[in-house]
Amino acid sequence: EAQVTQNPRYLITVTGKKLTVTCSQNMNHEYMSWYRQDPGLGLRQIYYSMNVEVTDKGDVPEGYKVSRKEKRNFPLILESPSPNQTSLYFCASSLFRDVGELFFGEGSRLTVL
Amino acid sequence: AQTVTQSQPEMSVQEAETVTLSCTYDTSESDYYLFWYKQPPSRQMILVIRQEAYKQQNATENRFSVNFQKAAKSFSLKISDSQLGDAAMYFCAYRSLMNYGGSQGNLIFGKGTKLSVKP
Repeated sequence: EAQVTQNPRYLITVTGKKLTVTCSQNMNHEYMSWYRQDPGLGLRQIYYSMNVEVTDKGDVPEGYKVSRKEKRNFPLILESPSPNQTSLYFCASSLFRDVGELFFGEGSRLTVL
Repeated sequence: AQTVTQSQPEMSVQEAETVTLSCTYDTSESDYYLFWYKQPPSRQMILVIRQEAYKQQNATENRFSVNFQKAAKSFSLKISDSQLGDAAMYFCAYRSLMNYGGSQGNLIFGKGTKLSVKP
């Protein structure tokens, strides 16, 4: 089954404790992206990757890092989480950067205390 | 920069009836994609329907259809024979075919319309 898989789905952590949200897709997509969803603000892009070893900032990259060492994986790293990073996070992928729809993971609810 | 506006924060429809959700967008580009995504309480983002701007024919997927007015930059979603399972947040989204600024391939989302379906 074609899918984008995120883990963990839920996480409660404390300020400053490094965490990684993993994302994996099995569709051989070149393009991958991370979004955060906040009430009243909609979905905003954090980082994106057009292929292996090619990543770039989206609209709200502060406090986040990403890497793309393999085509299927695109982890989101919070080196020192803060309460303002409490949010619902989505990983998404598409075949190319300018083709068709994005396929979304199921979302990861992160709470930073 | 492109923007997407959904002017109806909430809508309600009776089961089996028809409802239309509005979406307008602003762009100077001629080629792009438009989408409607559904987000049920499970939070999953589910593609409902997509429209390529170069296609004049309105897209249709079973009970879901769009009214795409390119000149007016309008992209409304019509849900026919509404079902209880249609209750969700609906997002209109725009995707450029051309590089602009730094967010290549980005989906630009509206703020969403919360649809309730009454039995």
